[in-house]
Amino acid sequence: AQSVAQPEDQVNVAEGNPLTVKCTYSVSGNPYLFWYVQYPNRGLQFLLKYITGDNLVKGSYGFEAEFNKSQTSFHLKKPSALVSDSALYFCAVRDMNGATNKLIFGTGTLLAVQP
Amino acid sequence: GAGVSQSPSNKVTEKGKDVELRCDPISGHTALYWYRQSLGQGLEFLIYFQGNSAPDKSGLPSDRFSAERTGGSVSTLTIQRTQQEDSAVYLCASSFPTSGIDTQYFGPGTRLTVL
Repeated sequence: AQSVAQPEDQVNVAEGNPLTVKCTYSVSGNPYLFWYVQYPNRGLQFLLKYITGDNLVKGSYGFEAEFNKSQTSFHLKKPSALVSDSALYFCAVRDMNGATNKLIFGTGTLLAVQP
Repeated sequence: GAGVSQSPSNKVTEKGKDVELRCDPISGHTALYWYRQSLGQGLEFLIYFQGNSAPDKSGLPSDRFSAERTGGSVSTLTIQRTQQEDSAVYLCASSFPTSGIDTQYFGPGTRLTVL
């Protein structure tokens, strides 16, 4: 079965420090991977996606993610965290079965950046 | 430009009542998705519309749930005889599929509370 795992319910980091939010996936074939961010009482905002090509993907707000096929991972990173980055982050993979482009989401990781 | 909009933002209803949730996708987007976000189930796919094709209803949890999309634009998700377990945030997303790998853009969601 296809799935996405976010092993950390919460990540705490001090402002100015680098941050990593982990994601691993399980799909058949080549994965199409996404990261979304959700601020309180808001919908999901698209950050970045990996389809093919360069393993390092750059996205919105200074975020980037590295696709690692051998480790089946797609960790989200940022060199220097901001307090305003505090939010809920979701990793997702496109469902490769069937004709729809529906997304299969991880359980989410709450990022807390302390000033 | 305008993003995906949803109404109402909040809906409180009594058990057994019917509710309708509305989604206005981004203009020109041919694909429309409904997802549900709840504490126990995380983010789960409900239904998918693409152009004039038959919708993918594989994610609807019961026959109390239905959705339609009129004129290829606005969509309405209807829940009949609501139950307390229907309480969740209902998210709508739209996209313009290109080469089958599209980015879904989400609305702010409707928070449904069933008393």
